[in-house]
Amino acid sequence: AIRMTQSPSSFSASTGDRVTITCRASQGISSYLAWYQQKPGKAPKLLIYAASTLQSGVPSRFSGSGSGTDFTLTISCLQSEDFATYYCQQYYSYSWTFGQGTKVEIK
Amino acid sequence: EVQLVESGGGLVKPGGSLRLSCAASGFTFSSYSMNWVRQAPGKGLEWVSSISSSSSYIYYADSVKGRFTISRDNAKNSLYLQMNSLRAEDTAVYYCARDSLALGYFDYWGQGTLVTVSS
Repeated sequence: AIRMTQSPSSFSASTGDRVTITCRASQGISSYLAWYQQKPGKAPKLLIYAASTLQSGVPSRFSGSGSGTDFTLTISCLQSEDFATYYCQQYYSYSWTFGQGTKVEIK
Repeated sequence: EVQLVESGGGLVKPGGSLRLSCAASGFTFSSYSMNWVRQAPGKGLEWVSSISSSSSYIYYADSVKGRFTISRDNAKNSLYLQMNSLRAEDTAVYYCARDSLALGYFDYWGQGTLVTVSS
């Protein structure tokens, strides 16, 4: 199975910051990558698919980039509602696999 | 409005069985592949199983292969997960999730149902 590794595992940031989360695949996955946001006690929410396509209804401060093995999720101006855990997921080949998550906490 | 509502979770002893259900509404269920994804307490997400719209294609994670069976009833707009030979490590919240365009990413999720395997 393809292994997905996110970095960092957690970090603290302030409202208004620009933040970047990295996801690396153990082998090339083209652009078959999605990003999800999850808040405590809630189901994950799709943010981005195809590495850089914003899901309908997701604020434009979220953006994704990358292809092959290296990907990034950027939040251009962190809002209070963005404090959550973020997961990347590859859908290049079964078994679909997720990164271990990156928790964004309030500084 | 798309809705996915899981049910059937609970406490079960190791080696026991449980059947999860997911009731879908707000979209043409028979046109979409569906999935189960789980999350152990305090841990990350793990894809469990996928089933295509007509049940022609079914896939499982290695961790559940041979023990879990995914199925669907398009007439009832329902997805199922039969879980046998349950282990402590199967303890998790189980989510059903719709596969957008049958590509492998999940655009709608249910609220989840908790399965606890403990003696």
